[in-house]
Amino acid sequence: AQSVTQPDIHITVSEGASLELRCNYSYGATPYLFWYVQSPGQGLQLLLKYFSGDTLVQGIKGFEAEFKRSQSSFNLRKPSVHWSDAAEYFCAVGEFGNEKLTFGTGTRLTIIP
Amino acid sequence: GAVVSQHPSWVICKSGTSVKIECRSLDFQATTMFWYRQFPKQSLMLMATSNEGSKATYEQGVEKDKFLINHASLTLSTLTVTSAHPEDSSFYICSSWETSTDTQYFGPGTRLTVL
Repeated sequence: AQSVTQPDIHITVSEGASLELRCNYSYGATPYLFWYVQSPGQGLQLLLKYFSGDTLVQGIKGFEAEFKRSQSSFNLRKPSVHWSDAAEYFCAVGEFGNEKLTFGTGTRLTIIP
Repeated sequence: GAVVSQHPSWVICKSGTSVKIECRSLDFQATTMFWYRQFPKQSLMLMATSNEGSKATYEQGVEKDKFLINHASLTLSTLTVTSAHPEDSSFYICSSWETSTDTQYFGPGTRLTVL
């Protein structure tokens, strides 16, 4: 069975600083990997996804993520965070031919001035 | 990206009543939709997979007689919480799978409060 681990429950970053959110997955074949962001009381917005090809994926809002098969990781990065990036971030894994996603427990990002 | 809407965005009901939540894919057709439940500060828990024209598939532990799902068309799925109780209070989120991009798009969620 596939699973996703987000080791960091809560991260606090200063505005303008760089950010890295960790995501590790467990899956037998090549996974489909996603990062979603959820603002308070809102649904999830897709930031980026990885299916195949270039392991460095660019997303919206200046985010990127790198797929590392050897480490079973798909970490999310942003070089300089903005106050509006404060939200909950979820990593998810799916499989080809199966539309069901498995979500991690999420990382809450707080931005301080 | 594709848009998924939910209605209502929030609802308060009395214990014992039923509540219906609608999920619509606005600019694409979705043969498959998903219903999730999210408790405060927790992740999304998949409740069921809704398939157009057929019965929904429920995850283990989800009462199918309590959470009725109907996927009557390629753009609409409904979740009815029957005989709601306070423990059913939660944030319910639907999503639709957009096949051309192999991406799941989420609705804004419905906050249900049962008094």
